[in-house]
This record gives sequence, C-alpha cells and structure tokens, in this order.
Amino acid sequence: DTEVTQTPKHLVMGMTNKKSLKCEQHMGHRAMYWYKQKAKKPPELMFVYSYEKLSINESVPSRFSPECPNSSLLNLHLHALQPEDSALYLCASSQGLGSGEETQYFGPGTRLLVL
Amino acid sequence: KNEVEQSPQNLTAQEGEFITINCSYSVGISALHWLQQHPGGGIVSLFMLSSGKKKHGRLIATINIQEKHSSLHITASHPRDSAVYICAVSGNTPLVFGKGTRLSVIA
Repeated sequence: DTEVTQTPKHLVMGMTNKKSLKCEQHMGHRAMYWYKQKAKKPPELMFVYSYEKLSINESVPSRFSPECPNSSLLNLHLHALQPEDSALYLCASSQGLGSGEETQYFGPGTRLLVL
Repeated sequence: KNEVEQSPQNLTAQEGEFITINCSYSVGISALHWLQQHPGGGIVSLFMLSSGKKKHGRLIATINIQEKHSSLHITASHPRDSAVYICAVSGNTPLVFGKGTRLSVIA
C-alpha cells in the first residue's frame, strides 16, 4: 500500500469553528509532514513529525495544532481560523527521519475554505 | 535559506516535442527532488537526485552539483504530461520548493 489518504477532501468552516484534518499512511513511514499550498504557489512546509515527535514547526500560528497519535496517523486541528488560511492542505510521509533526503509520498490534500 | 529558481515559469508545447525544465539553487544541497502536480492538487514524486542522471520512462532528470543546476527532460511529450513541475531541494532543512513550471502539451 503506497497511498497517503486525507480526509475530508473539502472543508468549509466559519472563523469560530473547530475542525480537524486527518492524514493516514500504512507504509511504515516514520516521518510525516503538513504543507499549506495557496493557489498558484508552491507548497509551504508547516510541520514535520519524526517518530511521532514534532521535529519542525515553521513558525505556524497557534490556531493550527498538529497531533500525531501513532506512527500511521497525523491530525491537524483547526481553531479560530482566518479567511486567509483558506488553502489546500497537503500531508506527506517518508521513510526516514524527515530530513528531506527521502522520497516523500503526498496525499491528495484537503481543500479548506474559511468564511 | 536556499533560493530555488525554475525556468521557464510557463511552457506550451505540441505533442511529441522534447521538453526541458530547468532548476537552479543557491546553496549546496544533499538532494534535489522533481515533483509533478496535476490540476486538483495531487503531488507525485518523480525523482530524487544527489548526483548524475536518472531515467524513468520518458522522463530524464540530471543534476550538476558544481553548477548547482538540474534539468528535467520529457521526451515525446503527450497531453497527459500537462501539469505543474516543481523542483525542491533539501540540505540542513526539509524541502525548499521552487515556484513551479506550468506545462501544457497540446495535441
């Protein structure tokens, strides 16, 4: 199984809502990533988990809260978002330590709209 | 932080043409990635290179570490190759992405 799955595919939320994005992989990968991608821009790294521990936080606002409950699952909890947070949120995984020297496998993304 | 530049930004080609997309970076790296993103968002990793050349089907990727430059070639292009091609590099930090090259192949 070489697939990274993400749910939901689409999400519309108000600025006072709390929601969560979910990412799952069953490839035995030990590094997992969250990226944010605005339209016609490249992905921007948000967080890296390595062996279920947060190893990189790219100065992301606290309204985004990542969680890695186990080695197969990565969540992104959303609270009090702003309209400018509307974007495609991509999850990826890789086999190693999350250093960038491994092939990353990307999920299809969750398209988020904040009203 | 590494600066990654891609050229061209946009490219339109006729089916069957040979295509080259270029990527240059400013600081030494440990690996360079070529990614493909189709409309709708899904990203596929095409190659990871640290030296030399790799080939997969009609795709060829080369890297020159001394010149800090990589190229992605597509031979016998096809409309299904239409996508955004993104170069990304890794060194002391995870991936730094270029802005991408939007390729349209017309039948």
